[in-house]
Amino acid sequence: AQSVTQLDSQVPVFEEAPVELRCNYSSSVSVYLFWYVQYPNQGLQLLLKYLSGSTLVKGINGFEAEFNKSQTSFHLRKPSVHISDTAEYFCAVSENKLSFGAGTTVTVRA
Amino acid sequence: ETGVTQTPRHLVMGMTNKKSLKCEQHLGHNAMYWYKQSAKKPLELMFVYNFKEQTENNSVPSRFSPECPNSSHLFLHLHTLQPEDSALYLCASSQAETGGNTGELFFGEGSRLTVL
Repeated sequence: AQSVTQLDSQVPVFEEAPVELRCNYSSSVSVYLFWYVQYPNQGLQLLLKYLSGSTLVKGINGFEAEFNKSQTSFHLRKPSVHISDTAEYFCAVSENKLSFGAGTTVTVRA
Repeated sequence: ETGVTQTPRHLVMGMTNKKSLKCEQHLGHNAMYWYKQSAKKPLELMFVYNFKEQTENNSVPSRFSPECPNSSHLFLHLHTLQPEDSALYLCASSQAETGGNTGELFFGEGSRLTVL
């Protein structure tokens, strides 16, 4: 069975600073990996996904994530955040059905 | 504009009312989902429909009644709800659950439900 653990529930960060959101998963087979973002009062939008190929995946809004099979991780990074990146971020894993982590709330302060 | 549209965006209802949430997808997908998102809790999968057939009911109380008349439309009928049912209800769609599906979901913006 698959599961997802997001290691940080809240991440405060200053504007223009880098941010990393950690995600670990467990699965007995090959998986697909996703990061979704939810801005206040909105639904979830796909930030990026890993299906196969290069382990470094680039997404929208300057985000990227690296798939590390040996560590079963898929951490999300952005080198310089903006106020508008304040949102909740969800890591998800799929063998063919999606399982979500509990989410990480990112608050960007000026 | 999102490929998945939910109406209404906001709904306030009393415990004795009957109301419905509607979801429509324009992506040609064959699987549709209802999720419940409560404050400070993980996303909870409620129902899954694959080619109009319900394939998952995640122990949801009977006061929530889903309906999927075709692959593009999904409803959630609500009656005799409790205050703890207040939440954001998210609809999503995807390629069919079988046959090479990656699991990627496309979400609507949600219906914020308040039960008084």
